[in-house]
Amino acid sequence: EVRLVESGGGLVQSGGSLRLSCAASGFTFSSYAMSWVRQAPGKGLEWVSGISGSGGSTNYADSVRGRFTISRDNSRNTLYLQMNSLRAEDTAAYYCAKTQLIPVWGQGTLVTVSS
Amino acid sequence: QSVLTQPPSVSGAPGQRVTISCTGSSSNIGAGYDVHWYQQLPGTAPKLLIYGNSNRPSGVPDRFSGSKSGTSASLAITGLQAEDEADYYCQSYDSSLSGYVFGTGTRVAVL
Repeated sequence: EVRLVESGGGLVQSGGSLRLSCAASGFTFSSYAMSWVRQAPGKGLEWVSGISGSGGSTNYADSVRGRFTISRDNSRNTLYLQMNSLRAEDTAAYYCAKTQLIPVWGQGTLVTVSS
Repeated sequence: QSVLTQPPSVSGAPGQRVTISCTGSSSNIGAGYDVHWYQQLPGTAPKLLIYGNSNRPSGVPDRFSGSKSGTSASLAITGLQAEDEADYYCQSYDSSLSGYVFGTGTRVAVL
């Protein structure tokens, strides 16, 4: 069974940092591009960042470019999102997603940025 | 910002058929990128309903179907049931943004 489990969310002050992790299982992790997607309270879905299977190519939404860094450790089947200079508008549920072929999403981890 | 446009809400009586449109452009749906559809119940993660424009994952009822034409896609729900009340989102890839894009979301109400 393909499974994605996020962790690392929590409450942080404005300007602070957090690192999210996503543990993958049930598929050949290194063969697939991965993404982070977020959803602010009461709002729609927003793609945040993506990374290729090898980790050699990354992309970011304009709203987080320069503040967030996506990375992966294929030896640990784990995806990461380092979030720096956090703002109140970054408050959201963050989902890890396998985006190639048949999409698979995790259950999400909540990030709350207090001002 | 949402690049794909959906109607804010649709509604229907139990047993009826409703459709949700997802309008994009030549850099996403019109460029041939796949469209996926998700159902989201309150307080839960989005659930994949349709992938690759018209394919249903195992376990999704055949009441749900997807199609794509030109720069738009559609999700149809036939035999509407009370449990179908939820938010629905479309997703595709956008070459000009080099990233994934989502629809604005549609709330389905069963009257």
